Amino acid sequence: AQKVTQAQTEISVVEKEDVTLDCVYETRDTTYYLFWYKQPPSGELVFLIRRNSFDEQNEISGRYSWNFQKSTSSFNFTITASQVVDSAVYFCALSEAVNFNKFYFGSGTKLNVKP
Amino acid sequence: ETGVTQTPRHLVMGMTNKKSLKCEQHLGHNAMYWYKQSAKKPLELMFVYSLEERVENNSVPSRFSPECPNSSHLFLHLHTLQPEDSALYLCASSQEGYSGNTIYFGEGSWLTVV
Repeated sequence: AQKVTQAQTEISVVEKEDVTLDCVYETRDTTYYLFWYKQPPSGELVFLIRRNSFDEQNEISGRYSWNFQKSTSSFNFTITASQVVDSAVYFCALSEAVNFNKFYFGSGTKLNVKP
Repeated sequence: ETGVTQTPRHLVMGMTNKKSLKCEQHLGHNAMYWYKQSAKKPLELMFVYSLEERVENNSVPSRFSPECPNSSHLFLHLHTLQPEDSALYLCASSQEGYSGNTIYFGEGSWLTVV
């Protein structure tokens, strides 16, 4: 079974719209970490955020915010007032305490922000 | 200078060629990874090195041969590749040994096999 599911393959929005990227994960571990990465067309995966399983506080960083809900096993990512530069593929990932070298990546969501 | 650098950024090679991809991390990490990203496919973990020892090899064909001479450098030696090996190859590093290590990626090497 997939450990990380990003059901949205591709999303298109117009600049200044808010957009939420969904991430649902599956794990039996009580200690785990969740991540979001951004991959622009150049190729590099840029680290955005890491959350541990014991910290359910939502986090905001500028126009970016993350909503972690253990009850629904979700770690959603919202971009407020989207900009063309936000166009990229976004990946959600999970690592578990049993093996921190193992990262489970979702299949990614391609975000197109149109001017 | 980025934390993880990869060279070359772009490589075109024939099926009979031998080439190598190079990765260097400047983050003081002790684990390094090779991932493959093909069009419309999820990221595939190829190899993991921890403290310069290979700890994971995900059934990768022998035409891909990794080498980790020290904790800062990682190579992927390529020989007799197939066109379906054309992909983006991403190197990454992390600090193993404490909980919650974050994996950091390089810019990737775009490989085209002709």
